[in-house]
Amino acid sequence: GAGVSQSPSNKVTEKGKDVELRCDPISGHTALYWYRQSLGQGLEFLIYFQGNSAPDKSGLPSDRFSAERTGGSVSTLTIQRTQQEDSAVYLCASNFATFSNQPQHFGDGTRLSIL
Amino acid sequence: AQTVTQSQPEMSVQEAETVTLSCTYDTSESNYYLFWYKQPPSRQMILVIRQEAYKQQNATENRFSVNFQKAAKSFSLKISDSQLGDTAMYFCAFFETGGAQKLVFGQGTRLTINP
Repeated sequence: GAGVSQSPSNKVTEKGKDVELRCDPISGHTALYWYRQSLGQGLEFLIYFQGNSAPDKSGLPSDRFSAERTGGSVSTLTIQRTQQEDSAVYLCASNFATFSNQPQHFGDGTRLSIL
Repeated sequence: AQTVTQSQPEMSVQEAETVTLSCTYDTSESNYYLFWYKQPPSRQMILVIRQEAYKQQNATENRFSVNFQKAAKSFSLKISDSQLGDTAMYFCAFFETGGAQKLVFGQGTRLTINP
């Protein structure tokens, strides 16, 4: 596609439910990043992929968070047993490669609200 | 760990005025990149300008320019002839080329351009 696509745009769910957030990067981009933006805050790095591999998972807040990427394209961020503090905008970005000095291209994000 | 600090949570100026947003960062690296991103209410992160640390010349993109002071680890953004469409959150971000391959963001500055 022309840009990074994220779905759903908005998600409201009850505390304790599992959610899946999807990111479809720009075609040809091998690097994919997930960030979290809490209300009024900057972006917090969660995880990145180079191809299907995730060398750095240190940003994931807890073991309830996981992410995968298959076929070097679409990535899914899964949050299990959601808590109210998980409410945030989750942004995905992609780039030609992780070591690239080119700017990351961002999607419009998924706004997650936990009731 | 790298940190990025934006000391101005909010700023407000009149249309056509010039405004400067400040950013400082902390790193022990010598080779890195700095970015300014704009985030309007649509949530999408839009690249405004970038600077390579090894370049002494300040980057310029139309009405946007930076004042990069490497020794002081300062990277301010100047917006000239401000327009209503410049109203947004502005984030300063740091990317190190040999490290964790992630963008580190400041907390952001909410800029409002008044008519």
